[in-house]
Amino acid sequence: QVQLVQSGAEVKKPGASVKVSCKASGYTFTSYGISWVRQAPGQGLEWMGWISAYNGNTNYAQKLQGRVTMTTDTSTSTAYMELRSLRSDDTAVYYCARAHRLYSSGDYWGQGTLVTVSS
Amino acid sequence: EIVMTQSPATLSVSPGERATLSCRASQSVSSNLAWYQQKPGQAPRLLIYGASTRATGIPARFSGSGSGTEFTLTISSLQSEDFAVYYCQQYNNWPPGFTFGPGTKVDIK
Repeated sequence: QVQLVQSGAEVKKPGASVKVSCKASGYTFTSYGISWVRQAPGQGLEWMGWISAYNGNTNYAQKLQGRVTMTTDTSTSTAYMELRSLRSDDTAVYYCARAHRLYSSGDYWGQGTLVTVSS
Repeated sequence: EIVMTQSPATLSVSPGERATLSCRASQSVSSNLAWYQQKPGQAPRLLIYGASTRATGIPARFSGSGSGTEFTLTISSLQSEDFAVYYCQQYNNWPPGFTFGPGTKVDIK
């Protein structure tokens, strides 16, 4: 069965960086991409970007361009999302989701990773 | 950026009743529209993609319709496990990026 398992919760200071991992299993990793979505406490969902696990091509949300980097490691079927220059409003649960291509929905989701940014 | 709006914000429904949720896009997104269900403390779950195609394992009581700027999610007969927040998402316009609606909470009447 398809599973996406994310890394554990993180606490970071403003200005720091965080890197969240998402380990995939149950399907051919390079046949799909991974989208990242975040959700601030009590708020709605925000799409952050998508990466192709086939060739590493990325498409980021314009508002995060320059602060976010998405990568994959095909040897371990793991996707990573790094967010830099963290601010308090980056406090959120970060989700990865399998998405066949850029213009597609996320069909299987990870359990989420809480990132707290606080001084 | 395409702005997604959802109505109503909260929908109170009795078990067994029909629920109709609306989603509107500020410009056409063709049929590149998905619906997700989210329960407290859980990740979103894909219900509908391509505006009207049920995702794997989704019961037939969930149906989606619409194209362009107006979309509807219908739950034909609400079960206890359907009380949750429902989000629509357009995945038609990048850049600047795909956007979600603010959600409709379906609660027990």
